[in-house]
Amino acid sequence: DTGVSQNPRHKITKRGQNVTFRCDPISEHNRLYWYRQTLGQGPEFLTYFQNEAQLEKSRLLSDRFSAERPKGSFSTLEIQRTEQGDSAMYLCASSKETSGGYNEQFFGPGTRLTVL
Amino acid sequence: QKEVEQDPGPLSVPEGAIVSLNCTYSNSAFQYFMWYRQYSRKGPELLMYTYSSGNKEDGRFTAQVDKSSKYISLFIRDSQPSDSATYLCAMRGRGSYIPTFGRGTSLIVHP
Repeated sequence: DTGVSQNPRHKITKRGQNVTFRCDPISEHNRLYWYRQTLGQGPEFLTYFQNEAQLEKSRLLSDRFSAERPKGSFSTLEIQRTEQGDSAMYLCASSKETSGGYNEQFFGPGTRLTVL
Repeated sequence: QKEVEQDPGPLSVPEGAIVSLNCTYSNSAFQYFMWYRQYSRKGPELLMYTYSSGNKEDGRFTAQVDKSSKYISLFIRDSQPSDSATYLCAMRGRGSYIPTFGRGTSLIVHP
């Protein structure tokens, strides 16, 4: 499968615990995005990487959230001291930089987080 | 008021019907307009995108953008039960890589 993959697919944790999610983008894609989607809502942007550089962060990304893309390939999203309000689907997407025109983002299947 | 408004539905139609899905927006800087389909417990997949105003057709799907009214539409002809999904509109400005999504419309096509 050459699409975007995310692990784990589901995570159940207790309030106050730390969790980490992983995203493996399509191999030639240099841009990687994290989104959060709650039930009945569209995806909301969290952060974006071009290669290993984190270029943009949403104000939704509180201090408890951190994302890395150390070698410009896979990325991790960590949530510290989880709260019940963090329960959501966390989506990763990747795209390939082109010289002009539209750059399609390809989404992974998401990691569903439930905080008890 | 959200930047992108989309009726969540659900919209229930019989197989073979023509479906019309719509979004309105407030940001006049939006230039790229996208429609995604999302099946339950899956990530969104891009159906179509349109740059600026006009129509675009791809098989049974037609996307329309009316920038003067800040209104976009997706039409699905000869709808099939396999079209049952949530349809998300999304849009972004020309200099941005980050789309703003609507909340999605749930479509149910019954046999």
